Order: sequence, then C-alpha cells, then structure tokens
Amino acid sequence: EVQLVESGGGLVKPGGSLRLSCAASGFSFSTYSMNWVRQAPGKGLEWVSSISGPNIYIYYADSVKGRFTISRDNAQNSLYLQMNSLRAEDTAVYYCVTRGGWELLDWGQGTLVTVSS
Amino acid sequence: QSALTQPASVSGSPGQSITVSCTGTSSDIGRYNFVSWYQQHPGRVPKLMIYDVTHRPSGVSNRFSGSKSGNTASLTISGLQAEDEADYYCSSYTSSSTLVFGGGTKLTVL
Repeated sequence: EVQLVESGGGLVKPGGSLRLSCAASGFSFSTYSMNWVRQAPGKGLEWVSSISGPNIYIYYADSVKGRFTISRDNAQNSLYLQMNSLRAEDTAVYYCVTRGGWELLDWGQGTLVTVSS
Repeated sequence: QSALTQPASVSGSPGQSITVSCTGTSSDIGRYNFVSWYQQHPGRVPKLMIYDVTHRPSGVSNRFSGSKSGNTASLTISGLQAEDEADYYCSSYTSSSTLVFGGGTKLTVL
C-alpha cells in the first residue's frame, strides 16, 4: 500500500523559511515522478512543483519559482520542498503526490503551512 | 499559467446526468491529451477519476466519463448518486512542462 507522510509544516512569519518533507513507502519511489500540490483554506488545488524519478527534470509554478526548491533522496525514499521568502499567499495545506504520466495518483494527508505575523 | 476555467457549481437530481466543463487554451488542453479529473469530498484528499482525457483508473465507476473538444474538456457523470456530491477539479499538462488546475466545481445532488 502506498503511504506518503508529509511533515514540517507550521507557523512562520512573512519572509521566513520552512522545509517540508515527505516520507514514502509501499512503492518503488525512485521510479516515480513526485509532486507538491497545495490547497489554501477553502480554496482550490494549485500545482507547485514536480521532480522526475532520476532527479533530472524539475519544474515549478510561476508563483513559487525562485523561492521554492524541490529535491528528493531516493536512497531515503524522501521528497523535500525548501520554501524561502514565504508570503501570506503561500498559506495552504501542502500535499506530496505521486505522478504517473501527467496524472496525479496517490496523495498524502498534507501538512499545513501558515504564513502570518 | 492561468488556471483552467470551470463553472463554480453544478447540480442534478439522483439518476440524472451532469457535465462539468473545463476550458483552457491552445497551450494546454487544446495541445495535449493530458487532461485529468479529480474528486474531492470535504475534508478528504483528492481522488483521480479520469486521466488522459478519457481513461478511468481501476476501481472508478463507469458512470464517470471524460471527453475533449478543442480547448475544452468535459467530465460527465451519469446515473447521479448522492455519494457523487463533491468538488471536482480538472487539470492539464501545459506547454511550459507544468500542470495547471481548474478552479473547481461544486456538485450538488438535489
């Protein structure tokens, strides 16, 4: 059974930094592209970033480009999101998600990031 | 990376069919057959219902179907059931090698 467990969320001040982690199990982690998707409270889904299995292809939404960095450690079956220069509009639940082709398959339960002074 | 356009809400009675539209551009929906649909019940994580425009993952009811014409994709739910009441999101691959979601559609089963 696929398990994705996010951690690292919390309250941070505007301009601050946070690092999210996602521990994966139950599938061949290194062969899957992984994504971060966020959902602001009461709002819709927003794709944030994607990283290919072998760490070759990395993509970001314009809204986070230059501020967020996605990475993975295939030996540790872990996905990360380093978030810098955080803004109020980054407040959301952040989901770790596996990707097939360009469809999003399995979702973690999410970790809440709140950016507020 | 403008969001895809979905109606804010749709409704239907049990047993009826409804269609949710999702309009993009020639840089996303119009160019690629990588449109997906997700169902999200309140307090739950999204669930993949349709991928690559028309394909259903294993375990998804055949009451759910997808289609595309030009820059607009559609999700049709036939034989509407109370359990179908949820938010529905479309997504598409884009020419920037990114993913874009629609704003979401709230389905109410009357």
